[in-house]
Amino acid sequence: DIQMTQSPSSLSASVGDRVTITCRASQSISTYVNWYQQKLGKVPKVLISPSSTLQTEVPSRFSASGSGTDFTLTISSLQLEDFATYYCQQSYSAPYTFGQGTKLEIK
Amino acid sequence: EVQLVESGGGLVQPGRSLRLSCAASGFTFDDFAMHWVRQVPGKGLEWVSHISWNSRGIDYADSVKGRFTVSRDNAENSLYLQMNSLKPEDTALYYCAKESTVTRFGAWYLDLWGRGTLVTVSS
Repeated sequence: DIQMTQSPSSLSASVGDRVTITCRASQSISTYVNWYQQKLGKVPKVLISPSSTLQTEVPSRFSASGSGTDFTLTISSLQLEDFATYYCQQSYSAPYTFGQGTKLEIK
Repeated sequence: EVQLVESGGGLVQPGRSLRLSCAASGFTFDDFAMHWVRQVPGKGLEWVSHISWNSRGIDYADSVKGRFTVSRDNAENSLYLQMNSLKPEDTALYYCAKESTVTRFGAWYLDLWGRGTLVTVSS
């Protein structure tokens, strides 16, 4: 099974900061990574799909990169509405594991 | 309205069974694969199971393999999760989620989620 190791598990940042979340796969998964955002009490929402494709209506301050085993999600200039928990997920092979999540908090 | 609505959760004793349902509407259900994902309140997401549009492709997380069975009824626009031999560690909010259209490279993501149904396994 492919393990997805996400870091950091939590992150404190300020509005306007640039933040990066990383996800490492236990084996090569090409570019088959999805990134989701989950706000408190809400269901997860996809931000970025494989090959770093930004989903419709997702602000351009979100971007992703990586291939093989190392992946990053970057928020270029944090806004208040971005404080949430972020998850990576590999869609390369079953079981389609998620990372442990990164909780982004206001500093 | 495009939506998924889960039902069937509740309090159940360890070792007992429960069947979850997910009713789909607003899209052509039998065009898409479906997934179950669970989340212990306050914790992370755990992928549970996948079923292809025609039920020929089925996968499970190791933690539920041999105990859970996923199925679907395309005529009824419904997805199911039969959970047997339940354990306290199965306690979670269970989401059903729709898989996106698969690209020619085989890429997909979960593009529609229900609000979940809570399963509590406790004596």
